[in-house]
Amino acid sequence: GENVEQHPSTLSVQEGDSAVIKCTYSDSASNYFPWYKQELGKRPQLIIDIRSNVGEKKDQRIAVTLNKTAKHFSLHITETQPEDSAVYFCAAPSGYALNFGKGTSLLVTP
Amino acid sequence: SAVISQKPSRDICQRGTSLTIQCQVDSQVTMMFWYRQQPGQSLTLIATANQGSEATYESGFVIDKFPISRPNLTFSTLTVSNMSPEDSSIYLCSVVVGGLNTEAFFGQGTRLTVV
Repeated sequence: GENVEQHPSTLSVQEGDSAVIKCTYSDSASNYFPWYKQELGKRPQLIIDIRSNVGEKKDQRIAVTLNKTAKHFSLHITETQPEDSAVYFCAAPSGYALNFGKGTSLLVTP
Repeated sequence: SAVISQKPSRDICQRGTSLTIQCQVDSQVTMMFWYRQQPGQSLTLIATANQGSEATYESGFVIDKFPISRPNLTFSTLTVSNMSPEDSSIYLCSVVVGGLNTEAFFGQGTRLTVV
């Protein structure tokens, strides 16, 4: 089955800096890559996703890039704010379900 | 989108007992899933809840331990049977409403502590 590796496991940045989280996947047939944000005690929520027919997608301060040849995709958050502090999970499809990376705990300090 | 109500939100249970978690969706959905999230860890798929047939379990999860019901397209239950402290986790139901490779929505989770 699909194996998703995520790095780093923790990331601390100062407010206003950028944050980058990287994931690799094993199944070259995978074609959908979502990113979920989970705040403490809350449910995971989709923040952005990308399909394999594009290399990059942006939504305001958030962007995702995909390199299908290398089988990796990355989340980029610019101009970070304290409310960006959360755990971020990348994922790849497993049928209709998802295989999640181990998560990155992002801390944005004022 | 989908609004998912999951209950209970938390429970503390004695080892050896069972707990049934309910998941109600505000619309009919074909695909419904149960995940486990151990403390500080990622989400791991337990099973796919199939309406009208037995659930499909992932490696490491068995029906005797995690029986699942799916009586209709808006409701499912997950039972954690014969619990031990190792079962202490957050259990989340999830649905996909837009078809393959679309957004998954999650319930708020059930935080289970086994003592």
